Amino acid sequence: KNEVEQSPQNLTAQEGEFITINCSYSVGISALHWLQQHPGGGIVSLFMLSSGKKKHGRLIATINIQEKHSSLHITASHPRDSAVYICAGGGADGLTFGKGTHLIIQP
Amino acid sequence: DVKVTQSSRYLVKRTGEKVFLECVQDMDHENMFWYRQDPGLGLRLIYFSYDVKMKEKGDIPEGYSVSREKKERFSLILESASTNQTSMYLCAGRTDYGYTFGSGTRLTVV
Repeated sequence: KNEVEQSPQNLTAQEGEFITINCSYSVGISALHWLQQHPGGGIVSLFMLSSGKKKHGRLIATINIQEKHSSLHITASHPRDSAVYICAGGGADGLTFGKGTHLIIQP
Repeated sequence: DVKVTQSSRYLVKRTGEKVFLECVQDMDHENMFWYRQDPGLGLRLIYFSYDVKMKEKGDIPEGYSVSREKKERFSLILESASTNQTSMYLCAGRTDYGYTFGSGTRLTVV
């Protein structure tokens, strides 16, 4: 069974800082997903990665298949980035989720 | 974009009731999933379905069943609700481009 570990669990930073959230998984997966959940809100898919790097606005996600490791970066962080970020691995038969990283960006 | 719609945002039910959570998606060839989300435990897979009338157990199927009579609708059924089934329930659909989640149903069993 695939295990997904995220770090840190909690992260508080100042507006404008560069943010990195890390994710490690234990067995092979077909894709690695980064998800975002605002308080009381639903879950939004940010990225699906099977190799390399993807960028969307101020968000960048990378994956190293050999090391079974992925990172989510946020450049020029803003208070509206405050949310829980969840890493998940899997494929057609569902996802295994990390416990999430609770990010707070202070103005 | 794929849309996944859950019919109820909040539900309060009594212990022993039969509870139906409904989920509808607008893509014809979608895998569909039911997860529950609990503090400290994260998201866990209850059931999933590849196609009409097909269902597969996830990690925590006990106390739940599912129904998929039409491709666009995937229902989660709590046969006899118990207080330990109080949780946030999330439906998701999958395409080759990733997953889309519904907005969730917060179920309280009293």
